[in-house]
Amino acid sequence: GENVEQHPSTLSVQEGDSAVIKCTYSDSASNYFPWYKQELGKRPQLIIDIRSNVGEKKDQRIAVTLNKTAKHFSLHITETQPEDSAVYFCAAVRPGDSSASKIIFGSGTRLSIRP
Amino acid sequence: DGGITQSPKYLFRKEGQNVTLSCEQNLNHDAMYWYRQDPGQGLRLIYYSQIVNDFQKGDIAEGYSVSREKKESFPLTVTSAQKNPTAFYLCASSHPAMPREQYFGPGTRLTVT
Repeated sequence: GENVEQHPSTLSVQEGDSAVIKCTYSDSASNYFPWYKQELGKRPQLIIDIRSNVGEKKDQRIAVTLNKTAKHFSLHITETQPEDSAVYFCAAVRPGDSSASKIIFGSGTRLSIRP
Repeated sequence: DGGITQSPKYLFRKEGQNVTLSCEQNLNHDAMYWYRQDPGQGLRLIYYSQIVNDFQKGDIAEGYSVSREKKESFPLTVTSAQKNPTAFYLCASSHPAMPREQYFGPGTRLTVT
C-alpha cells in the first residue's frame, strides 16, 4: 500500500526566514497531494494541495512543488510569521471513482517560528 | 465550527470498558471517516463510510467498530479489545463531488487508565 514519509519531524526557523518540509510517497498511482496545518489543540485544516499534472502551485506565502519522477513533494513557506507555528502534514491520495477517498498522511512536522 | 462536531472534547475511561465517540455533520456530506492521531505518527485511518449503512475498514480497524444509520452521524466505538486506546480521535467528512478534500471535526482526546 501507499506509504508517505515526511521530514523533518521538527523544524525551528527565525521569523522572516523560509521553511521547507519534504515528503516522499511510494505509490506512483497517487495523483493528489494535500497539505494540512494543525494548530495546537485544533483540527487539521487543508492549506494547499497539488495535483499530479502540475509541478508547482503557489498561494501567497506558501507554495508546493511536486516531482512525480522522484515521487517527492515539498511545502515551502516564505517570510515566516509566528502564526505559522503548527504541525504540518503532507498526504497522498490515489485516484478513485468512489465517493470516499483514503488519504495516507505523513507523520507530521512541528514547525516553530522563533521571534 | 465548520458543520462537523465531535463530543466530548475529553473522555476518560477505565480499561476494559467500551466507549463510544460521537461525530455529527450538517454539511450534507456522504462520506465520513475516523482517524487516530498519536504523537509522531500522523493520522491513521480507522474506518470510513461512503453512504448510509455502509462502511469499510481502514488501516487500523482492529478493536474498533462503527455504525452509519444516518447520513449525519458516524459514531465510533472503542472496544476493550483495542490494546492501546489512549489517543486523539478525529472525525472527518467529504462531499461526493470532492471526496479528496476532507473536513475535520475538533477531535476527542480519549484517555484509558
